[in-house]
Amino acid sequence: GAVVSQHPSRVICKSGTSVKIECRSLDFQATTMFWYRQFPKQSLMLMATSNEGSKATYEQGVEKDKFLINHASLTLSTLTVTSAHPEDSSFYICSAREKAVGQGGQPQHFGDGTRLSIL
Amino acid sequence: GQNIDQPTEMTATEGAIVQINCTYQTSGFNGLFWYQQHAGEAPTFLSYNVLDGLEEKGRFSSFLSRSKGYSYLLLKELQMKDSASYLCAVIRATGFQKLVFGTGTRLLVSP
Repeated sequence: GAVVSQHPSRVICKSGTSVKIECRSLDFQATTMFWYRQFPKQSLMLMATSNEGSKATYEQGVEKDKFLINHASLTLSTLTVTSAHPEDSSFYICSAREKAVGQGGQPQHFGDGTRLSIL
Repeated sequence: GQNIDQPTEMTATEGAIVQINCTYQTSGFNGLFWYQQHAGEAPTFLSYNVLDGLEEKGRFSSFLSRSKGYSYLLLKELQMKDSASYLCAVIRATGFQKLVFGTGTRLLVSP
């Protein structure tokens, strides 16, 4: 089945550091990928939709200058948390879908997530 | 905008049956998913409903009523490993078909 790889799985760094998280679709092409954030004991919150070859679409309240998204190819999207601070500590998860639902497409497949801890 | 609500926590006994409800209000609807998530792990797909009715898959079944904005996930013959969070998610029939998650239900199965 479709596999989404996310790297790194865990990051611990100092406040003010920028952190890049990669999300790859391993056996399919994904023109659209999604980035979520999850705080402890809470559900997944959609941050942005990453579109290959164009700008990402951010959800309300998500700072696009803080969370830079680059969808450089059909199999790779990156999320960069710029000048990270302790309040940015969270579990970040990406997902991708090969085809749209309703067109015989599959459900979204999720990466294993990145646990980001800012000291 | 949209609201997707689930009970926060539920407890059940091994071998029992549990029903996790989800109500939603959304502009545009193209299906509802249920995912299971163990602590510290990514969600895994359980079921997808786009038409009214019941979808059965082994021990898990999912029901949808579009007119009522209501779904439930039914887990039978509960096992200890079923202790996890269960996430209801709605996909909108617009644009990029974003998947938006509900609040999630933490299920604890006890012996």
